Formats: sequence, structure tokens, C-alpha cells
Amino acid sequence: AQSVAQPEDQVNVAEGNPLTVKCTYSVSGNPYLFWYVQYPNRGLQFLLKYITGDNLVKGSYGFEAEFNKSQTSFHLKKPSALVSDSALYFCAVRDRDSGRRALTFGSGTRLQVQP
Amino acid sequence: AAGVIQSPRHLIKEKRETATLKCYPIPRHDTVYWYQQGPGQDPQFLISFYEKMQSDKGSIPDRFSAQQFSDYHSELNMSSLELGDSALYFCASSLVNGYTFGSGTRLTVV
Repeated sequence: AQSVAQPEDQVNVAEGNPLTVKCTYSVSGNPYLFWYVQYPNRGLQFLLKYITGDNLVKGSYGFEAEFNKSQTSFHLKKPSALVSDSALYFCAVRDRDSGRRALTFGSGTRLQVQP
Repeated sequence: AAGVIQSPRHLIKEKRETATLKCYPIPRHDTVYWYQQGPGQDPQFLISFYEKMQSDKGSIPDRFSAQQFSDYHSELNMSSLELGDSALYFCASSLVNGYTFGSGTRLTVV
């Protein structure tokens, strides 16, 4: 079985400050990990993914995430938040070693960036 | 670049009616997925197709069915609609580990 936990329903940060959105995962084998962002009444937009290689993954709009196998985490980070980053963020996982190719999503974290 | 196309964007149906949602994947993507996202919920996997064959099944109700056609587009058929079926329905397509989601169909059951 595969699962994702996003422990924070909401994260508040001031514009210009660094932000972190937390994600931990559970898979039987090795993970493929993804971050998506969703704006109101919109689809899921891809931000970044970890497949293999460097643990630090850089993605769209200045976001990055670090894969930590020992802590089974894949936290999303950005050095300087923008008001336009305010949205709903989903972490997702797929177990590389299972036959299931569908992604399993976390419950989402709402990021609110204050001006 | 071509994206995943879903139609219609919005759909309003009455209880006990049927609905058909369509998805046109990115060309050459070999797998299509359907997800349901209820209000304030995370997307829940319903069903997937690999090369036009059902490949995996998630939490899809028995009232729902889906198929993928020879041109690779997919349809999600929903019968005996209930108020609780009101949700945003996403289609995604993938090739290897690149997953692209459509903008979704918002279904409202009244």
C-alpha cells in the first residue's frame, strides 16, 4: 500500500520569507514523489518530481523539494514566497516497485502568503 | 504543447440521471487515469487504462464505468447519480513517470 501525509492543513507565511510545505510518504518499495499545485476551480499543475538521482529536486516557479529516504519525507520549499504562490498544494507518491501506476495524493496543504 | 482535454467543463445533473465525462489524453501517452475530488478533499483514484485495457481499479462505485476507445480517448459513465457524486473529476495521462492532469469536469448533482 502507498500513502502520503501532509500534516499541515494550512501554512501561513509573509511575502519574501522562505516557505516549507511538509510531506511524508509510505510505500513498500521505492518511491516516485510529486508535488502539484491547485488554484481555485482549476486543475492540478505539476511543480516537480523525484524519480532517481539527486535528492534535491528543482521545479517550476522557484520551488524545490528534498527527498530524504531515512525520514521518508519530501518537503516542498521556496526561498522567498510570493503572494501569487497562495494556493492548495498536493504531494503524491507512486511505489516504483508495485504494479500500480496511479498516484496517491495527500490531503493537501493550503498555503497563504500575506503581503 | 498539447494538454489533457476534458469535456464538458461543467455539468449539472439531477439525482438518478446519468452523466458521461470525456477525456482526450496527450498523444502517445499510454495510460489514462480518472480521479474524483470532492469538496475540500484530495483527489481519489477511480480507474486507469493502459493501452486501452483496464489496468487498475481504485475506489470507483459500481454505478460508474469507464472505457478507453481505439483513438485513446476515455469516457467515464456515471449512472443513478447521487448528491454525493458532486465533485471535480480529473483525467490524467502519463508516459513513464510524466503525469499530466486535465482541468477537470465539475459535476453538480441537484
